Amino acid sequence: ILNVEQSPQSLHVQEGDSTNFTCSFPSSNFYALHWYRWETAKSPEALFVMTLNGDEKKKGRISATLNTKEGYSYLYIKGSQPEDSATYLCARNYGGSQGNLIFGKGTKLSVKP
Amino acid sequence: SAVISQKPSRDICQRGTSLTIQCQVDSQVTMMFWYRQQPGQSLTLIATANQGSEATYESGFVIDKFPISRPNLTFSTLTVSNMSPEDSSIYLCSVDGTATEAFFGQGTRLTVV
Repeated sequence: ILNVEQSPQSLHVQEGDSTNFTCSFPSSNFYALHWYRWETAKSPEALFVMTLNGDEKKKGRISATLNTKEGYSYLYIKGSQPEDSATYLCARNYGGSQGNLIFGKGTKLSVKP
Repeated sequence: SAVISQKPSRDICQRGTSLTIQCQVDSQVTMMFWYRQQPGQSLTLIATANQGSEATYESGFVIDKFPISRPNLTFSTLTVSNMSPEDSSIYLCSVDGTATEAFFGQGTRLTVV
């Protein structure tokens, strides 16, 4: 079993704070690492897919880094806003299909105005 | 991108009954996936559904409990049979998207009483 671990489990921040979450995973047989944003009653939304060691990706105020050798990825949110409140999931493939994913339990972020 | 319509969005069911969840995609896709998230747990793959063949179930999931249909390339159903409170979960369908991401339905929040 290729377990994916995420920390912290939940996080409460004030509007304007910057924050980061961690995703760790077994580094062997690595294929790709995914980050999703999941709001209640909505579909999980893909944020990033990263495949190469040292990858850094950015989408607006959100960015992510990847270290495949040591098996971790960080997700950063700069200047958190209330609309950033959601559960952030990371997942890795254990095969070639993008749909065949092993997920962590997620980090639930709450941003207070 | 693929647009996935999943229904029902939520339901409360009596133990011992069955519920069928539907997933409709706006384009033809080869593989569809069914996931479950029990409270406090990770999203976990139940099975992969291919059109024209029997679904492939992950360890711990069996066809008698979670029968799946895949009558064509745009539609699939998952039935949760003989439900017990332990089946209370969020159920998600997903499809392979581009080479970089998977797409998800909005989820079905099931409560078994």
